[in-house]
Amino acid sequence: RKEVEQDPGPFNVPEGATVAFNCTYSNSASQSFFWYRQDCRKEPKLLMSVYSSGNEDGRFTAQLNRASQYISLLIRDSKLSDSATYLCAVIRGGGSYIPTFGRGTSLIVHP
Amino acid sequence: NAGVTQTPKFQVLKTGQSMTLQCAQDMNHEYMSWYRQDPGMGLRLIHYSVGAGITDQGEVPNGYNVSRSTTEDFPLRLLSAAPSQTSVYFCASSPGGRSGANVLTFGAGSRLTVL
Repeated sequence: RKEVEQDPGPFNVPEGATVAFNCTYSNSASQSFFWYRQDCRKEPKLLMSVYSSGNEDGRFTAQLNRASQYISLLIRDSKLSDSATYLCAVIRGGGSYIPTFGRGTSLIVHP
Repeated sequence: NAGVTQTPKFQVLKTGQSMTLQCAQDMNHEYMSWYRQDPGMGLRLIHYSVGAGITDQGEVPNGYNVSRSTTEDFPLRLLSAAPSQTSVYFCASSPGGRSGANVLTFGAGSRLTVL
């Protein structure tokens, strides 16, 4: 089993829709969690860190469920510009503090 | 403030050739890392460094060497290129320290094709 797993999609949604992605991780000692966004043929960029209590940034909400070992990203009121690949990243405890990435989830928002 | 600079952006090699992908950062970040990205495989860690003079292997280190003689630079060497090394390579840096603060800044990527 891969350390970090994501449904690759693609998720194909209309503008204005709400869409959610999950990312599961296998190591219960994982300490830190992130969502990165990657546009086509570009480098990944941090979208948001994921905090234990959950956190929100505008239309984006991230949640952590330690009991079930997954993180989630909810996007409300989808825009065309949200079309991208969303990568989750996990840092294990007691390790190098270099993140392990999932394969990414592709989101396509259409008019 | 350039962030993370990778060169070259594109490279075509023949099987057996060697080359070095350059990576430099100007943010005084302690940690640097190299990932490769293949379709459907996500980002896989090749090698990383937690400080000058310190390097370690990641998930897919075979066929690659690294060194970290300065804080700023972290070159990736392909010793004898193989078609399986055709990929997009990303260099990244991060502040280090507490894991929660270890957000990566990526370079723009280097697209390598091995014929």
